[in-house]
Amino acid sequence: EAGVTQFPSHSVIEKGQTVTLRCDPISGHDNLYWYRRVMGKEIKFLLHFVKESKQDESGMPNNRFLAERTGGTYSTLKVQPAELEDSGVYFCASSKWDTASYEQYFGPGTRLTVT
Amino acid sequence: QQPVQSPQAVILREGEDAVINCSSSKALYSVHWYRQKHGEAPVFLMILLKGGEQKGHEKISASFNEKKQQSSLYLTASQLSYSGTYFCGTEGSGGYQKVTFGIGTKLQVIP
Repeated sequence: EAGVTQFPSHSVIEKGQTVTLRCDPISGHDNLYWYRRVMGKEIKFLLHFVKESKQDESGMPNNRFLAERTGGTYSTLKVQPAELEDSGVYFCASSKWDTASYEQYFGPGTRLTVT
Repeated sequence: QQPVQSPQAVILREGEDAVINCSSSKALYSVHWYRQKHGEAPVFLMILLKGGEQKGHEKISASFNEKKQQSSLYLTASQLSYSGTYFCGTEGSGGYQKVTFGIGTKLQVIP
């Protein structure tokens, strides 16, 4: 079974530019999550999709961040325009059901550096 | 509100034991434990549910004290492969809620 994949693995952009991160969850997993980890800090929740619907987007920092999951398969997270504080590792995770009884499978992350 | 983990870092020799603690200020439904090796994806270790159900694998065990809103992860007879950052994630009670992760505990096992 293929795991969660993310693309790109690294991205270095200048302040003000746009970046789009992609996540492909495990096939059949309806739940998809985005997280961000700034070095030395917690893995911070950004949002949760159930299929193509946003279940919870309370962790999205501001309206510069836009997440989509068309067709309930892969998801994209766009940052436009990027700011220095957006730097960090962005993780995507998927699970078969909600988090109460089932583990989340994490992808390897996209390391975003905004200069 | 994120859970508090302790210690923040620990160094062990192979074969030694370690305990990592996770506490929350709110009532919990479940506690999740993950381990992340440098540059890799966090990997699931265990889920502990309110009511005592426990799911996990490997030679790692954990406890969940619902009343104290605390969980502890027990690493017994540590191996070099145990090195990494351990995260606890907590889920509040009252239905589905997102998992909130702690800052992590960096564990290093040396020969």
